[in-house]
Parts: sequence; C-alpha cells; structure tokens
Amino acid sequence: DQQVKQNSPSLSVQEGRISILNCDYTNSMFDYFLWYKKYPAEGPTFLISISSIKDKNEDGRFTVFLNKSAKHLSLHIVPSQPGDSAVYFCAATNDNAGNNRKLIWGLGTSLAVNP
Amino acid sequence: DADVTQTPRNRITKTGKRIMLECSQTKGHDRMYWYRQDPGLGLRLIYYSFDVKDINKGEISDGYSVSRQAQAKFSLSLESAIPNQTALYFCATSWGLNPGAGELFFGEGSRLTVL
Repeated sequence: DQQVKQNSPSLSVQEGRISILNCDYTNSMFDYFLWYKKYPAEGPTFLISISSIKDKNEDGRFTVFLNKSAKHLSLHIVPSQPGDSAVYFCAATNDNAGNNRKLIWGLGTSLAVNP
Repeated sequence: DADVTQTPRNRITKTGKRIMLECSQTKGHDRMYWYRQDPGLGLRLIYYSFDVKDINKGEISDGYSVSRQAQAKFSLSLESAIPNQTALYFCATSWGLNPGAGELFFGEGSRLTVL
C-alpha cells in the first residue's frame, strides 16, 4: 500500500509559468517531508524539505506547502525553467522514530518545462 | 569528484552470476543505504547500515546481501543474479539522528542488466 502518493506521473508546463507538483500521504505519523529532483543518468538530489511544524518553506524559486489536515503537500516552482525538467520525488518520514526512521518515497512526477 | 561514488556504473551479466556493486563516500556520514529503482515502482530500499557493525534489511532484501567494510564503504552483492534484478541501483548516505536528518545523498547509480 502506497503511503506516499504522487498521483500525476507527468506534468508539462510552459517556461516562465508555475509548476505545481502534488503529493499525498496516508500515515499521520509522518512529520518531515522532502522533495528530491532526479535527472536522467544521475542520482536523486535533495531539493527542499518541510517540517510538520510549518506550513510553508521557501528556497528561491521553490516553495513547499504542507496541509496537515488534508495530508497533502505541494511543490511550487516559479518561474519554471527548462532546466527544471526532471523527475521529482516526494518522500516522508517520522522524524521521531529514532533508529526506525526511514524515508518513504512516492513514485515520482516527471516534469517537462517547454521553452 | 563525487561525494558518493558507485562502481560499476553499468554492468551486463548472465543469470546465475555473482555480482558486486560497490559504494564509497567521502561525506563522513554514518548511514549508508542501497536502493533500487524500477519504472513505475519508485525507489525501494534493499539494505541499510547505521554504522560498521549495523546492517538492516529493507523492503526487498531477498536475493541480496551487503557488507559494510568501513564507514566509507558499503557493497551490495547479488549471489546468483536473476533477470528480475535488472534495475538501476543507487547507494545513498545520510547523517545519523540529527533532526531532519532524512536528507539522503545519492550516488550516480549503477545500471545492472541480467540476461
């Protein structure tokens, strides 16, 4: 059973517009969320994270919003650039699980930013 | 130079052969992980290690074994490779129990094809 769901396998956006990537989770114990970006032939790289004590975290063009009541988070990229074209993975963890803490991954959303 | 280095990057082998994928890191992290990525299945955890004396099974450890030879080295072995182990394999590292320590640093991946 998928505890972290990225329901859109792909997304296409025009350069300069906003990209919104969505992620839903089912486990209410998750309290720390991360987004990773993956280019072809490379490993995933960390992009941005958010703790459950916040509802927004911003880093340059990237903003993550967390709605705990809806168990939903989203990654906004504004403005989108062709270099943002990649697969984006959402991941979640229970930061208080001690040594049992593990990242649970979504299946990824492939973003294409068209010039 | 990459902080997390995987060798080989590509390998084609035959069913029944023994294969070892190696990972070394210069980040000084305690924790190391092996993941596999399959289309439509996202990233799945095979094994992880919190330190040299600690080895833990992940979601899909059957058919795999690991060795943590040193803090900086973590190898993955397929004792008798089978075609459904054809996948992209990633090594990753992270810090220990610091808050928000879920961030993983990935290697560039090892593509394994079992014929």
